[in-house]
Amino acid sequence: QVQLQESGPGLVKPSQTLSLTCTVSGSSISDGGYYWSWIRQHPGKGLEWIAYVYYGGNTYYNPSLKSRVNMSVDTSKNHFSLDLSSVTAADTAVYYCARVMWPNSYDYWGQGTLVTVSS
Amino acid sequence: QSALTQPASVSGSPGQSITISCTGTSTDIGFYNYVSWYQQHPGKAPKRIIYDVTKRPSGVSNRFSGSKSGNTASLTISGLQAEDEADYFCNSYTGSGTLFGGGTKLTVL
Repeated sequence: QVQLQESGPGLVKPSQTLSLTCTVSGSSISDGGYYWSWIRQHPGKGLEWIAYVYYGGNTYYNPSLKSRVNMSVDTSKNHFSLDLSSVTAADTAVYYCARVMWPNSYDYWGQGTLVTVSS
Repeated sequence: QSALTQPASVSGSPGQSITISCTGTSTDIGFYNYVSWYQQHPGKAPKRIIYDVTKRPSGVSNRFSGSKSGNTASLTISGLQAEDEADYFCNSYTGSGTLFGGGTKLTVL
């Protein structure tokens, strides 16, 4: 059974960097065949794709967030990470990680983690 | 990139069929046969119900079906059940990433 679990601080101060990690079980990131993604959902709103990465290094970013986002993969720990810099209140959202059957079939999702940006 | 356009809400009675539309452009939905649909119940993570426009994952009811015409994709739910009440999101490949719709709230009357 494939499972994904987000972890990271639930509260981040404005202008700081939001850092989250998604730990994967039941599926090896380095096996290939899948991309790994971050998606967010503002309170009461729709889904917004942030980025996705392949273990070999190919990374794709949402153009509207590209200047502030970095994704990385750690195959030794079977997890991938998100860094979002210079956050504002507008970055307050539930952040989900997901596995992606190329190019856009998000077949497994984490439970989501709420990140609030506030001083 | 703007979100794909979905109606904010749709409703139907148990047993009826409803269709949710998802409108994009000639550079996303109109160009690629990579449209997926997700169901989200309150407080839960989204669940994939359709991918590659028409494919249904194992375990998903055959009451859910997908289609596409031009720049618009559609999700049809037949034989509505109370448990279908949820938010539904479409998603399309864009060539350099993916784009979600704004979501549609389905109310089962």
